[in-house]
Amino acid sequence: NAGVTQTPKFQVLKTGQSMTLQCAQDMNHNSMYWYRQDPGMGLRLIYYSASEGTTDKGEVPNGYNVSRLNKREFSLRLESAAPSQTSVYFCASKLLSGGAHNEQFFGPGTRLTVL
Amino acid sequence: DQQVKQNSPSLSVQEGRISILNCDYTNSMFDYFLWYKKYPAEGPTFLISISSIKDKNEDGRFTVFLNKSAKHLSLHIVPSQPGDSAVYFCAANTGANNLFFGTGTRLTVIP
Repeated sequence: NAGVTQTPKFQVLKTGQSMTLQCAQDMNHNSMYWYRQDPGMGLRLIYYSASEGTTDKGEVPNGYNVSRLNKREFSLRLESAAPSQTSVYFCASKLLSGGAHNEQFFGPGTRLTVL
Repeated sequence: DQQVKQNSPSLSVQEGRISILNCDYTNSMFDYFLWYKKYPAEGPTFLISISSIKDKNEDGRFTVFLNKSAKHLSLHIVPSQPGDSAVYFCAANTGANNLFFGTGTRLTVIP
């Protein structure tokens, strides 16, 4: 039982390049999330998927797209990377949507640098 | 605008003593609060939570206190151990999907 896995662990991009961050969970959770963490700031929600087939914007969605490929996988795409997207990206999953009483489980993160 | 604030970026405590980490929030609609612990190069891991209908929740060495009138919560760790050294994030939500995080407090437990 690996929990939440993310690939890659590290990535360096040039401005304007595109890439997709991958996330998978093996806990049969319904909801999945993408966060970014910047120095001096808490984690901020980019997009989430409350259940398979649905996606919604979070607090900071600009410059990103997501795909809920199936129940296990939720990817985050940067179409044209910008230096402001340099950050650590975390994927998380939760058993049920909403329902504050069930906590989110986080992956190890992807450290992205955009030059 | 930061809805969840952790005003102490760091805290150092001697092993065996109590660690108190503080968190303030501005949104009175928050009804659930969580603490996460994060080690370097790892994702945050859930530690303890509290519903807004309670003022205290205890789990082993960890106790969270909630003061709704002051919009303040705190995490107490007793006794503190070197393995507790990590960054601690306070988080809150309204029962919806957006979890709001504080900026974190780095706890160092000195052996």
